[in-house]
Amino acid sequence: DGGITQSPKYLFRKEGQNVTLSCEQNLNHDAMYWYRQDPGQGLRLIYYSQIVNDFQKGDIAEGYSVSREKKESFPLTVTSAQKNPTAFYLCASTRLGEQFFGPGTRLTVL
Amino acid sequence: GDSVTQMEGPVTLSEEAFLTINCTYTATGYPSLFWYVQYPGEGLQLLLKATKADDKGSNKGFEATYRKETTSFHLEKGSVQVSDSAVYFCALRDSGAGSYQLTFGKGTKLSVIP
Repeated sequence: DGGITQSPKYLFRKEGQNVTLSCEQNLNHDAMYWYRQDPGQGLRLIYYSQIVNDFQKGDIAEGYSVSREKKESFPLTVTSAQKNPTAFYLCASTRLGEQFFGPGTRLTVL
Repeated sequence: GDSVTQMEGPVTLSEEAFLTINCTYTATGYPSLFWYVQYPGEGLQLLLKATKADDKGSNKGFEATYRKETTSFHLEKGSVQVSDSAVYFCALRDSGAGSYQLTFGKGTKLSVIP
């Protein structure tokens, strides 16, 4: 089945540590996105990539980094510079203007 | 810039009640409009969409009509079920944007009780 996978589903991190969230898609979509979801705040765009080896900052990119070395993969690194990283992170890809979402990763900083 | 405003929740309804979730938008171009649904612990799924004024999107008994004159895209369902309990997000994609970036509302949590 085609789709978007995110791993792990739950992730725990100590303060000061970097952590990388995985996002893989086998839909052959060019554009991919990372969103952060906090209770009562909807989805906020962190980074997006329209083609391999290219990506742009979204509304809340500070403290995050991404790479896009392959079309299928768009990993997100939450760095120690992110002041409040505990949140639900959603990855998405786009075909013909419609966004398809992965199941999400819940990150908790201890 | 673009923005989406949804009615605040949570909304609690009895089974078979009528549902309306209000959504209004601000956009510089001619946006496409979407409703997404998120079940507990999951990602978002597209529920319905409309790409131009007066279009009606529909799916699984839900409907929404693109009203350009009132800049609205209200979600309705005639008879809700317990399985409709979820968070609903209204979103837009501006026609002027170079990417397929979406702007989301804050979401409305719906709980349907038997």
